[in-house]
Amino acid sequence: DAKTTQPTSMDCAEGRAANLPCNHSTISGNEYVYWYRQIHSQGPQYIIHGLKNNETNEMASLIITEDRKSSTLILPHATLRDTAVYYCIVRPGYNQGGKLIFGQGTELSVKP
Amino acid sequence: DTEVTQTPKHLVMGMTNKKSLKCEQHMGHRAMYWYKQKAKKPPELMFVYSYEKLSINESVPSRFSPECPNSSLLNLHLHALQPEDSALYLCASSQAGTYGYTFGSGTRLTVV
Repeated sequence: DAKTTQPTSMDCAEGRAANLPCNHSTISGNEYVYWYRQIHSQGPQYIIHGLKNNETNEMASLIITEDRKSSTLILPHATLRDTAVYYCIVRPGYNQGGKLIFGQGTELSVKP
Repeated sequence: DTEVTQTPKHLVMGMTNKKSLKCEQHMGHRAMYWYKQKAKKPPELMFVYSYEKLSINESVPSRFSPECPNSSLLNLHLHALQPEDSALYLCASSQAGTYGYTFGSGTRLTVV
């Protein structure tokens, strides 16, 4: 599976949009971009995923560049409860029972 | 039911003890996973079960023994653990297709 690169940490003011970048320059044509987050001492939580089109759900938006070498997760109105480690993961989407490998992630701190 | 339930939430065991961690899901997912997470580190994949058969073992020491008695249950049997095995143990499940994984809240294990 392709490797991802994320900033170690980011800050965001409460109520503002949080934009979390991820580089995945070696992504293959059949690989999806997945985002998970882990709030302290809880299990990771699935946020969103996409292949090449931008995606939006009730939690976030995912913007994938046209060449698919990078993506941005957008939390439109960050709250203190969004403070967490955010993981960007690239893997084949069809692969049941395959590996979901976590990188170091970005520690997002939302401040009042 | 959209949850993965892990029991116990906390476990303290001696190095000569035998204990088991339990994971349960009723979402009809046919793949289940064990992860280990040390403090300030990302989750590390240990085992993958697909259709109740062990499909991936990430070179985990034999003192960790997984078991999948049926499609809803996943156990992790522990024997002769070391203090460095103290960690958060996470269970997850997934279904075929591009869907995300669902994680439990984990078992916090302390080996004394």
